[in-house]
Amino acid sequence: DQQVKQNSPSLSVQEGRISILNCDYTNSMFDYFLWYKKYPAEGPTFLISISSIKDKNEDGRFTVFLNKSAKHLSLHIVPSQPGDSAVYFCAARPYNNNDMRFGAGTRLTVKP
Amino acid sequence: SQTIHQWPATLVQPVGSPLSLECTVEGTSNPNLYWYRQAAGRGLQLLFYSVGIGQISSEVPQNLSASRPQDRQFILSSKKLLLSDSGFYLCAWSVGGATEAFFGQGTRLTVV
Repeated sequence: DQQVKQNSPSLSVQEGRISILNCDYTNSMFDYFLWYKKYPAEGPTFLISISSIKDKNEDGRFTVFLNKSAKHLSLHIVPSQPGDSAVYFCAARPYNNNDMRFGAGTRLTVKP
Repeated sequence: SQTIHQWPATLVQPVGSPLSLECTVEGTSNPNLYWYRQAAGRGLQLLFYSVGIGQISSEVPQNLSASRPQDRQFILSSKKLLLSDSGFYLCAWSVGGATEAFFGQGTRLTVV
């Protein structure tokens, strides 16, 4: 049961442009959403999160948008840099539950 | 500061052999602990999570088991490995409710 979906397995953008990574979820009990970045042979590292009471959270070049009615969130990276090339995972969890679900990931390639 | 240690980094085991992967967390008390698996080309699948010593929740029926003998120690085991157990295993921790989880470096398990 794939409760968190990332339908784009890969994305390629030019350095300096905007990267937009998308994520959809089906469980209406999800209350907290996260993005992780993962390099090969390493564990994912936390990037940015957003709670359901907000529709936007910004941290430097990274902005996460949440559309609760559409059960959709997105991560914007601007400007994109070659060092941003990695696999990005979307994750979601209910507020009072430790069960965090991940999407399948999107491989971002930023070309110099 | 909190740190998470996971070992070994890589492991090659024959089919039918036992498995023991260990994860320890430092710098925090009573963390929530998780085991995830990333199969080739797939997302992160939650296998087990624990909210305290001796408390284990299993997400999927499988050939694996988990134990939490101490507050900051989480062990993933199998009595007899299958080829399908191959993958990248990740331990993670979090505290509280709606917070991010932090991952270890992962173990690449290849069952041959």
